[in-house]
Amino acid sequence: AQKVTQAQTEISVVEKEDVTLDCVYETRDTTYYLFWYKQPPSGELVFLIRRNSFDEQNEISGRYSWNFQKSTSSFNFTITASQVVDSAVYFCALSEGGGNTDKLIFGTGTRLQVFP
Amino acid sequence: DADVTQTPRNRITKTGKRIMLECSQTKGHDRMYWYRQDPGLGLRLIYYSFDVKDINKGEISDGYSVSRQAQAKFSLSLESAIPNQTALYFCATSDADSGANVLTFGAGSRLTVL
Repeated sequence: AQKVTQAQTEISVVEKEDVTLDCVYETRDTTYYLFWYKQPPSGELVFLIRRNSFDEQNEISGRYSWNFQKSTSSFNFTITASQVVDSAVYFCALSEGGGNTDKLIFGTGTRLQVFP
Repeated sequence: DADVTQTPRNRITKTGKRIMLECSQTKGHDRMYWYRQDPGLGLRLIYYSFDVKDINKGEISDGYSVSRQAQAKFSLSLESAIPNQTALYFCATSDADSGANVLTFGAGSRLTVL
């Protein structure tokens, strides 16, 4: 069965600190997709990234970076030089198969609070 | 206007009442979804639809029904609301061509069942 674990329920940092949000997944499929979504205080979830299981190359987008390691079944998300606007709940998610499937399994989320 | 619009945004109702949450989208996406968010549980899929004639149950469909009235409209109904259906409900859409599960979410509908 597929499962996504975000062990960190809540993280608090001071602005400009780096912070890493952990995501560990379980799946029996060899083909799958991993996602990160952001839910700011306004409530609407926003797609951040999708990574397929055949692409372990790390990705950087501005202050955001993602580290995908199949050996440890992890897809961690790092925010460099955090800002107050990064305060949100972040969800990691998994879909099995070729990506065109019906189910997106979400983790329970990590609430990040960035203080000035 | 938002790409995915949910109405109502907030609703308080009583046990046993029928409630409908509506979702409309301007993205032109074929696929629409209803998720439920509960504190500490993340988001769970209730129902999804890949086109107007396709309706599928998700992880937690019991107590819910849906209707896909048109490509752009997907409504969620609670025939007889109960307190444990108090939650934040999200409608989402996706486009098979651009990648399934790259979801565009609505702003959410907060439902409280007393």
